Parts: sequence; structure tokens; C-alpha cells
Amino acid sequence: AQSVTQLDSQVPVFEEAPVELRCNYSSSVSVYLFWYVQYPNQGLQLLLKYLSGSTLVKGINGFEAEFNKSQTSFHLRKPSVHISDTAEYFCAGRNTGNQFYFGTGTSLTVIP
Amino acid sequence: KAGVTQTPRYLIKTRGQQVTLSCSPISGHRSVSWYQQTPGQGLQFLFEYFSETQRNKGNFPGRFSGRQFSNSRSEMNVSTLELGDSALYLCASSPVPEARAEAFFGQGTRLTVV
Repeated sequence: AQSVTQLDSQVPVFEEAPVELRCNYSSSVSVYLFWYVQYPNQGLQLLLKYLSGSTLVKGINGFEAEFNKSQTSFHLRKPSVHISDTAEYFCAGRNTGNQFYFGTGTSLTVIP
Repeated sequence: KAGVTQTPRYLIKTRGQQVTLSCSPISGHRSVSWYQQTPGQGLQFLFEYFSETQRNKGNFPGRFSGRQFSNSRSEMNVSTLELGDSALYLCASSPVPEARAEAFFGQGTRLTVV
């Protein structure tokens, strides 16, 4: 079965501290990997995506992720978080079809 | 350029009723997908349309259906509503139905079944 696993359901972190949100994918799924952010009562906004090429992907709002094929991981990182980063984060995979396979989400709470 | 527009934003229905949700994709986008988001099941794929044809369908009962019009606007319908159908329904549009194509999500329709 195709799947994406987010290892932490909730991550609290102090403002200006670094954060890592973990994501593992099944090797059968994903050719392409994505991170989306969802603010309360909103849709999903793309943070970054890995399609091919460099394994370090930079996205919006200072986020970056590293594609690691040997560990089948695609962890999201930010060196210094802000209050405004408080949101739900979803890792997703896509194969040659158009369907997304989403992880269960990680709730990031930034503490002042 | 306008984003993906979903209407209505909020909806309250009674068990047994039916409901129709609408999605207008970004201008020029021809691929539309629907997802159901619930606290228990997370984000689950419902179906995908391209050029008025359903290309793919998720594991949902036949009460869930959809269609796409010639202007790429899409509707999904849920008949005989159940309490468990309460969810946020998200629509995503892409220029083409390719995995490399970026998908843009609407703000969703929050359906509450009472």
C-alpha cells in the first residue's frame, strides 16, 4: 500500500527555536513529495516540493526539506520559527498518477 | 488571478438529505480533485476529473458522486447523508493531471450533518 507517515502528531516549540517535522514515505509510493501547511479554517498551501534533482529543497517562509532515499524520509525544517508558523503541516506523496497520499498531519505550536 | 473557489463555505444538513458542493478551479486549470478531511481519517482522496471525465476514484461508497462541466467547474454530490459525512471537503485544481503539476487547494466547504 502506498503511504506517507508523519511521526509526530504534535510538536510544541519556543519562538525563534529550530524545528523539524518528520515524514517517512513508503518506497512504493513516491516519486514526488510535498509539504503543505493548513491554517485554521483554510485550505492547504504548498510549502515546498521534491520532484527530482537536488535533495535539499527550499520553500516559502524559510522552510526547507531534505529528500533521503536511503532512509525514505522527507523531513521539514526551519532554523527559527515564528508565532505565525503555528499551523497544521501535512506531508504528501504522489506517484505517476495525480492522487495525493497525505500523512496524518503534525500540529506545530509555537510558544512565545 | 483568482484562486480555487469553493461554495458554499459552510453547510448544515440533516441526516438523509443530499448535498451538492461546488468548485471553480483556477482559470485555465482543467484537472480537479476532491478530498475529504476529518479528524479521524485525515485527508482522503474522493475523485479526480479531467476534461469532464472521471479519471480516478477513491474508496468511498456510491453515495458520493461528482461531475465536471465543460468550463472545468466541478460539483460533488453526497446523497442520503450520514453523521459520518461531516467533514471539510477540499477541492484542488491543476493545469493538467500530472503528478509533477502543482495543485492549488480551495478553502474548503465545511459540511455538518445533524
